[in-house]
Amino acid sequence: DAKTTQPTSMDCAEGRAANLPCNHSTISGNEYVYWYRQIHSQGPQYIIHGLKNNETNEMASLIITEDRKSSTLILPHATLRDTAVYYCIVRGNTGRRALTFGSGTRLQVQP
Amino acid sequence: EAGVTQFPSHSVIEKGQTVTLRCDPISGHDNLYWYRRVMGKEIKFLLHFVKESKQDESGMPNNRFLAERTGGTYSTLKVQPAELEDSGVYFCASSQVHGTGGYTFGSGTRLTVV
Repeated sequence: DAKTTQPTSMDCAEGRAANLPCNHSTISGNEYVYWYRQIHSQGPQYIIHGLKNNETNEMASLIITEDRKSSTLILPHATLRDTAVYYCIVRGNTGRRALTFGSGTRLQVQP
Repeated sequence: EAGVTQFPSHSVIEKGQTVTLRCDPISGHDNLYWYRRVMGKEIKFLLHFVKESKQDESGMPNNRFLAERTGGTYSTLKVQPAELEDSGVYFCASSQVHGTGGYTFGSGTRLTVV
């Protein structure tokens, strides 16, 4: 699976959009971009995933660049409950199913 | 639907003892995964079941760890004998067989070996 690079930490004001970047320059054609988050001591929570088109669900939007070498997770109106560590993970849709978690981005939503 | 359930939520055992962690996946999910986070480290994959078969156990640290999923329903992860470095949080996740959707994780079992 391709390696990902994320900033260590970010701050965001409550009510504003949180834009979390991820670089995955070695991504291959059949690899998807997944985003998970871990709130404090809970288990990781799936947020969204995509291949090459932008995706949106009730939690977030995922913007993937045309060359697929980077992506941005957008939380449109961040709340204090969105404070968490966010993980960008690249994984193929065949073969090994394991997720490789990196260090993620610690997002602190400020009141 | 009920989520992924893990039991116990916390366990404190002495070095050398045996501990068994249990995971109940979402009903109908054939894929079951074990992960763990040891102190100060990243979340690491341990192994993957498809129904009762071990599909990938490349992340199992050593032979003190034994995972089973008899009948393809719930799974157990036994650590015998436990060592201090086994302390951490053990997560279980499940997913359906097909598709590229996300996994559902349980809340984890916090294991402390003293």
